[in-house]
Amino acid sequence: QKEVEQNSGPLSVPEGAIASLNCTYSDRGSQSFFWYRQYSGKSPELIMFIYSNGDKEDGRFTAQLNKASQYVSLLIRDSQPSDSATYLCAANNAGNMLTFGGGTRLMVKP
Amino acid sequence: NAGVTQTPKFQVLKTGQSMTLQCAQDMNHNSMYWYRQDPGMGLRLIYYSASEGTTDKGEVPNGYNVSRLNKREFSLRLESAAPSQTSVYFCASRELTGGSYEQYFGPGTRLTVT
Repeated sequence: QKEVEQNSGPLSVPEGAIASLNCTYSDRGSQSFFWYRQYSGKSPELIMFIYSNGDKEDGRFTAQLNKASQYVSLLIRDSQPSDSATYLCAANNAGNMLTFGGGTRLMVKP
Repeated sequence: NAGVTQTPKFQVLKTGQSMTLQCAQDMNHNSMYWYRQDPGMGLRLIYYSASEGTTDKGEVPNGYNVSRLNKREFSLRLESAAPSQTSVYFCASRELTGGSYEQYFGPGTRLTVT
């Protein structure tokens, strides 16, 4: 059973809107969480990581973590067509291995 | 500074053939990883090497072997390729000290087994 779950999408949002991407995890021992962006045919690249409950902001991106609910989210403000990609959520477990979700495909329409 | 490099970029094999995927990193990272990515499955860990001289199985190790040749290089070998091994393979490296924890990925190898 997959330990990190994401809705596969596609999630379609209009340009300029807020895109909300969600992820749940099952391992309560996971302490830190990562969001990767992957363009079609390319390798994943790190957008943000978070390890404390609450929000963490970086430019147009905000990561949110709720350890009690085992829930992580990524908000993308002022979405651009260039944000269209697959977003992978990953949890860092006690063995310092990253477990990845299946990814959510985001489409931002002009 | 090239980061993580992988060769080859593309490969087609016949069932039963063998091959080695090469990976190298120039960031002086201790930990290196091999993943496979199939549609809708995300990234699944095949093998990892926490440090030079050690290797361990990940989630899907069957049909693969690895070698941590030195701190820079970590290779993945398919001894007898099967169609189920058709996938995109990513190598990654990571440094677990210093607080960064970012994992860097190579460009990937697209493997087709017929």
